[in-house]
Amino acid sequence: AQKVTQAQTEISVVEKEDVTLDCVYETRDTTYYLFWYKQPPSGELVFLIRRNSFDEQNEISGRYSWNFQKSTSSFNFTITASQVVDSAVYFCALSGGKSGGYQKVTFGIGTKLQVIP
Amino acid sequence: NAGVTQTPKFRVLKTGQSMTLLCAQDMNHEYMYWYRQDPGMGLRLIHYSVGEGTTAKGEVPDGYNVSRLKKQNFLLGLESAAPSQTSVYFCASSYLGNTEAFFGQGTRLTVV
Repeated sequence: AQKVTQAQTEISVVEKEDVTLDCVYETRDTTYYLFWYKQPPSGELVFLIRRNSFDEQNEISGRYSWNFQKSTSSFNFTITASQVVDSAVYFCALSGGKSGGYQKVTFGIGTKLQVIP
Repeated sequence: NAGVTQTPKFRVLKTGQSMTLLCAQDMNHEYMYWYRQDPGMGLRLIHYSVGEGTTAKGEVPDGYNVSRLKKQNFLLGLESAAPSQTSVYFCASSYLGNTEAFFGQGTRLTVV
């Protein structure tokens, strides 16, 4: 079975602070995919990033960056210079092939980020 | 550019009533999914479909049925609603099982 743990249920930061959202995963698959989604107060989930298990390069997109470390089974997400618009629930998710197929994506419980102006 | 559209957005049901949630996507995706979101539990997969005419069970399928008669539509049915089915339901679609999913805006269902 596959599992995604987001130990931080809620985080509050002051605007312009950096914040890291942790994601730890478990899987027996050698090929798997990791995702981050954002759910703003409006409710709809928005895709942020997808990473496959063979690509450990860190990714940067504007103020967002992701650190993938297979050695610690972690896929952490950092927001630099946070803004109020970053306030949302962020989900980490895992898709592994042997766990019944890639379509059976496992989501973490989410981390609610509040950015205080 | 509609993407994934769910109807209705809100619904209140009495215990024992039935209803159908409709999901439509215009991206020609093969894969479609129904999730439920509950506080402290993230998103859990109810049922999914890998193509027109096919459906399969996810993590929490009991009490729900689905149909995919047309590629662009994925219906979720509750035959006899129970208070435990009070939740926010999300439909999603993707090109492949391991590619990004596009989500609908959600349906907030309350069963009293």
